[in-house]
Amino acid sequence: NAGVTQTPKFRVLKTGQSMTLLCAQDMNHEYMYWYRQDPGMGLRLIHYSVGEGTTAKGEVPDGYNVSRLKKQNFLLGLESAAPSQTSVYFCASSYSVLGGPKPYTQYFGPGTRLTVL
Amino acid sequence: QQPVQSPQAVILREGEDAVINCSSSKALYSVHWYRQKHGEAPVFLMILLKGGEQKGHEKISASFNEKKQQSSLYLTASQLSYSGTYFCGTPVESFGNEKLTFGTGTRLTIIP
Repeated sequence: NAGVTQTPKFRVLKTGQSMTLLCAQDMNHEYMYWYRQDPGMGLRLIHYSVGEGTTAKGEVPDGYNVSRLKKQNFLLGLESAAPSQTSVYFCASSYSVLGGPKPYTQYFGPGTRLTVL
Repeated sequence: QQPVQSPQAVILREGEDAVINCSSSKALYSVHWYRQKHGEAPVFLMILLKGGEQKGHEKISASFNEKKQQSSLYLTASQLSYSGTYFCGTPVESFGNEKLTFGTGTRLTIIP
């Protein structure tokens, strides 16, 4: 099991460029999340998905779009990158078993470090 | 609303104990604890559920006080491997745990 993987690991963009970050999980999890992490801010939820074909906004969705066409993949898009989007992006996935001991435990990918110049 | 963690940072000598607190302004049904080592992804430590027992992981344990809407993480006889940033996460919505909001973290540094 690879767990949660993210590509790319690093990326440098110029203001106004677009890009897509890919997250893949092989644990058959229903729920997937995109977070950004900035110094002193902790982890902030950008968008999330509760199942294939569904997406929803998190705390800081502006400037980002997502898609979940396949259960195992969750894509994060930046249409027109801005310097304020310089951050480390983490993808996570989770599941829940009714009555289970670890509901919604989140498994994180290794992160993507994005710099927007 | 984001939970509040304290302290923001702590430095310990190997073998010393530490307590990290996490408090919320709203009723809690669960608290999740994660640890993130420098340059790595956050890793799940434990979850405390309303009405559940105190949990443990290695020499790390935690408690959950539902009435006070807070949780505390106890690190006993700290080891160098405990260094990292600890985050608590609380459900965004009362009954649905699938979304968490995380505190800003407590940076723990263990020195030999």
